[in-house]
Amino acid sequence: GAGVSQSPRYKVAKRGQDVALRCDPISGHVSLFWYQQALGQGPEFLTYFQNEAQLDKSGLPSDRFFAERPEGSVSTLKIQRTQQEDSAVYLCASSLVGRPTQHGYTFGSGTRLTVV
Amino acid sequence: QQPVQSPQAVILREGEDAVINCSSSKALYSVHWYRQKHGEAPVFLMILLKGGEQKGHEKISASFNEKKQQSSLYLTASQLSYSGTYFCGMTSNTGNQFYFGTGTSLTVIP
Repeated sequence: GAGVSQSPRYKVAKRGQDVALRCDPISGHVSLFWYQQALGQGPEFLTYFQNEAQLDKSGLPSDRFFAERPEGSVSTLKIQRTQQEDSAVYLCASSLVGRPTQHGYTFGSGTRLTVV
Repeated sequence: QQPVQSPQAVILREGEDAVINCSSSKALYSVHWYRQKHGEAPVFLMILLKGGEQKGHEKISASFNEKKQQSSLYLTASQLSYSGTYFCGMTSNTGNQFYFGTGTSLTVIP
């Protein structure tokens, strides 16, 4: 597609429920990042994929968070047993190469997760 | 690990200039600058690769001092459309990590 697509746009989950957030990067983009952005804060790094390989997951806040990109394109961020502190906007970004030299990362519009 | 930006917030009148600073404690490969408007995704402005590199984008330009691990964004003759939160972003040498700065809220008023 022309841009990075994320779905759903909004998600309300009851505490304890599992959720899955989808990111469809720009076709052919090698790199894919997930970020968590709390209200009024900057995006915080969660994890990074190069193709299907998850090269860095140091930002995942707990073992309730899991991300995958099995075929090197679409990625899913799964959060198990959601808690209120998980409420945030989850942003996905992609780029053509691992270390862009001309163009930065293209971000999706995000998924706003509210845990009640 | 998060780069630190200053100032945290700034209010400008149309036509005024501003400088936003960004510094990191880690060695850097590149510096990006993004602008995010409320409720929207961050939008890429520019990337700087080499120490001392300067770039321009309309009336917005930036510099990167690799030795000091610092970058500055310069906004001249600000327009109402410049309002938003500006983030620097820094790539590690491996490229596996990309961290956003703490953010600077910029408001341009008529």
